[in-house]
Amino acid sequence: DTGVSQDPRHKITKRGQNVTFRCDPISEHNRLYWYRQTLGQGPEFLTYFQNEAQLEKSRLLSDRFSAERPKGSFSTLEIQRTEQGDSAMYLCASSTNRDAVPETQYFGPGTRLLVL
Amino acid sequence: AQKVTQAQTEISVVEKEDVTLDCVYETRDTTYYLFWYKQPPSGELVFLIRRNSFDEQNEISGRYSWNFQKSTSSFNFTITASQVVDSAVYFCALLADSSYKLIFGSGTRLLVRP
Repeated sequence: DTGVSQDPRHKITKRGQNVTFRCDPISEHNRLYWYRQTLGQGPEFLTYFQNEAQLEKSRLLSDRFSAERPKGSFSTLEIQRTEQGDSAMYLCASSTNRDAVPETQYFGPGTRLLVL
Repeated sequence: AQKVTQAQTEISVVEKEDVTLDCVYETRDTTYYLFWYKQPPSGELVFLIRRNSFDEQNEISGRYSWNFQKSTSSFNFTITASQVVDSAVYFCALLADSSYKLIFGSGTRLLVRP
């Protein structure tokens, strides 16, 4: 399977705990994105990497959130001191930029987070 | 500002009926890209189609067809002879040429009953 993978698929945690999610993009893709999707809504952009550089962070990404892509391959999204409002599906996507035209973003299966 | 509106929250049809999912978008960019994604109960967003703003040719792929009309800022999706396996949430999304973040609509939940 050469698609985007995410781990874990499900996470239940208690309020105040830290959680970390991992995303492995499609191997030749140099762009990686994180989105958050709450119940009944479409995904909302959180942050974007080109190779290892984090080029944009949404205002949705509070100081408790941090994302990294240390070697330009996999990425991690950490949430510190989780709150019940963080409960959502966290989706990762990847794409290439082989030419000047924006490429299609392909999504992983998501990590569903529940904060009790 | 960029925005995608999917006014139909939920649609229920009987198998073999045709169904059209509406999508209306707003953008000031002259070059942009439109997408449809399918999200089955498993949660993964599956890419269906991409359309460039400079190409208004409609497209058909099997039972799926897409009608892109720049004049009305719409990019509607029709499923012909629907099947139970088509049951999912469908999202329309917009990507401006100057951006890299997809702007999604709120989705339309399609239920196809046997």
